Amino acid sequence: DGGITQSPKYLFRKEGQNVTLSCEQNLNHDAMYWYRQDPGQGLRLIYYSQIVNDFQKGDIAEGYSVSREKKESFPLTVTSAQKNPTAFYLCASSPDRGNYGYTFGSGTRLTVV
Amino acid sequence: QQQVKQSPQSLIVQKGGISIINCAYENTAFDYFPWYQQFPGKGPALLIAIRPDVSEKKEGRFTISFNKSAKQFSLHIMDSQPGDSATYFCAASRRSARQLTFGSGTQLTVLP
Repeated sequence: DGGITQSPKYLFRKEGQNVTLSCEQNLNHDAMYWYRQDPGQGLRLIYYSQIVNDFQKGDIAEGYSVSREKKESFPLTVTSAQKNPTAFYLCASSPDRGNYGYTFGSGTRLTVV
Repeated sequence: QQQVKQSPQSLIVQKGGISIINCAYENTAFDYFPWYQQFPGKGPALLIAIRPDVSEKKEGRFTISFNKSAKQFSLHIMDSQPGDSATYFCAASRRSARQLTFGSGTQLTVLP
């Protein structure tokens, strides 16, 4: 079945540590996105990529980094510069043509310990 | 002009009642209006979507009403069920930019 796989489902980070969240899709979608969701809050865009080897900052990119070396993969690194990283992180993808809708992954919950 | 305003923030409905969530937008270039449903601990899933060439779209108990002149669209959930309890997000995008602009979300609780 086609879809988006995010891993791990739960992740714990120590202070000062960098951690990387994985996002893989087999939908052959061109565009991929990372969102952050805080409890009871909406979706805030961190980074997005419309094509391999190219990505753009979203509204809250500070303290995060991404790469897009393959069409299927869009990993997000939460760096030690992100002072409040505890949140639910969602990856999404969308095709270049036709239906504009996003397909979301099941999310990664990151907690600072 | 990119903002999508969603209301109410939370909604409590009795089982069998009608749930109504409203969204308003400013950018007249938007031409795709989806609604997403999110259960706790899960990613949002596309529920129903509409384009501005129609005023209403119905799928089962879910209906989108679209008012182009008022720049508003709404989600109606008929015969609401406890299983509909979730967070609902409206969104909008335009043909030249695939990126969706999301509303702030509505937490719906349907009481048994």
